[in-house]
Amino acid sequence: EAQVTQNPRYLITVTGKKLTVTCSQNMNHEYMSWYRQDPGLGLRQIYYSMNVEVTDKGDVPEGYKVSRKEKRNFPLILESPSPNQTSLYFCASALSAGNQPQHFGDGTRLSIL
Amino acid sequence: DQQVKQNSPSLSVQEGRISILNCDYTNSMFDYFLWYKKYPAEGPTFLISISSIKDKNEDGRFTVFLNKSAKHLSLHIVPSQPGDSAVYFCAAGGSGTYKYIFGTGTRLKVLA
Repeated sequence: EAQVTQNPRYLITVTGKKLTVTCSQNMNHEYMSWYRQDPGLGLRQIYYSMNVEVTDKGDVPEGYKVSRKEKRNFPLILESPSPNQTSLYFCASALSAGNQPQHFGDGTRLSIL
Repeated sequence: DQQVKQNSPSLSVQEGRISILNCDYTNSMFDYFLWYKKYPAEGPTFLISISSIKDKNEDGRFTVFLNKSAKHLSLHIVPSQPGDSAVYFCAAGGSGTYKYIFGTGTRLKVLA
């Protein structure tokens, strides 16, 4: 089954404790992206990757890092999480970077205390 | 600065009637537009898209209209069904950029 898998689905942690949210897709997609969803703000793009070793900032990259060492994986790293990063996070992938619809994972709810 | 706006946070429609969801954008460089549907506890699911060379795209009960001069797109669902009750996001992207901007979403409730 074609899917985008995020782990963990839920996480409660404390300020400053480094965490990684993993994202994996099994569709051989070139394009991958991370979004956060906050009430009243919709989905905002954090980072995206056009292909292996090619990443770029979205609209809200501050406080986040990403890497794309393999085509299927695109982890989101919070080196020193803060409470304002409490949010619902979605990973997505698309066949290519150009005009293509994205397939989304089911989300990761992060709470930073 | 919200480049993609969905001004109606919610909409209620009777089953069988037409649902019209609206989206406005400000950046004239956008040339690819999408609608996604989102159920609770799930990720958004792609519904329909349209490129700027067209003004209409249909897929079954779903039609997207694009008015470039007004920088406005709309999603029509006919006939509406209770299973269509969800949050709908419009999104925009532009050639030469691989970023996507999403609207804030409209919660559609279809009443049986």
